Amino acid sequence: GESVGLHLPTLSVQEGDNSIINCAYSNSASDYFIWYKQESGKGPQFIIDIRSNMDKRQGQRVTVLLNKTVKNLSLQIAATQPGDSAVYFCAEGGGTGGGNKLTFGTGTQLKVEL
Amino acid sequence: NAGVMQNPRHLVRRRGQEARLRCSPMKGHSHVYWYRQLPEEGLKFMVYLQKENIIDESGMPKERFSAEFPKEGPSILRIQQVVRGDSAAYFCASSPYRPAYEQYFGPGTRLTVT
Repeated sequence: GESVGLHLPTLSVQEGDNSIINCAYSNSASDYFIWYKQESGKGPQFIIDIRSNMDKRQGQRVTVLLNKTVKNLSLQIAATQPGDSAVYFCAEGGGTGGGNKLTFGTGTQLKVEL
Repeated sequence: NAGVMQNPRHLVRRRGQEARLRCSPMKGHSHVYWYRQLPEEGLKFMVYLQKENIIDESGMPKERFSAEFPKEGPSILRIQQVVRGDSAAYFCASSPYRPAYEQYFGPGTRLTVT
């Protein structure tokens, strides 16, 4: 079946460096992609989203890139800070059969080292 | 403006008991989603409801699980005769419109079945 998965379960970066988290998706019909941040004991927090008709979208310190050719979604965090330590999930929605639900990947743990 | 509220935050039940999880969506939101998260996994869609209607329950187990979103009051996720495999974090999300890609999540209810 369709799935959304992540390449790396854990990513360690030095404070101040840039972080890149990748996500592979398989449902080429999805038309909406989202990145969520989840801190321990809390619910997912919306970070940034992108529609399938876009390649790039920038927010505050974050950038999402969508490569439809290789079906890859990436999240770039500039000048990573200790407060960025969390699990990051990609999710997809819409498209054929997607309906209203979001399909989540398994998550990448981001650890920021001082 | 209060966010999505869930209670209780932690719930312990013995095998065979019933669990009732409550979700109050954000003000002005009439669309509610329930997701389940097992340890170190992503969120899995369970059910999508609007006021007094179940729109999509494709992720709900066929037995023991039910959900409602009455005209007045919170949405309820009910699990009858709980088993240890039901232990998980249950998250509720809400959205002001459909399609509901931009979903706002509550803090979750952590259910432990002993």
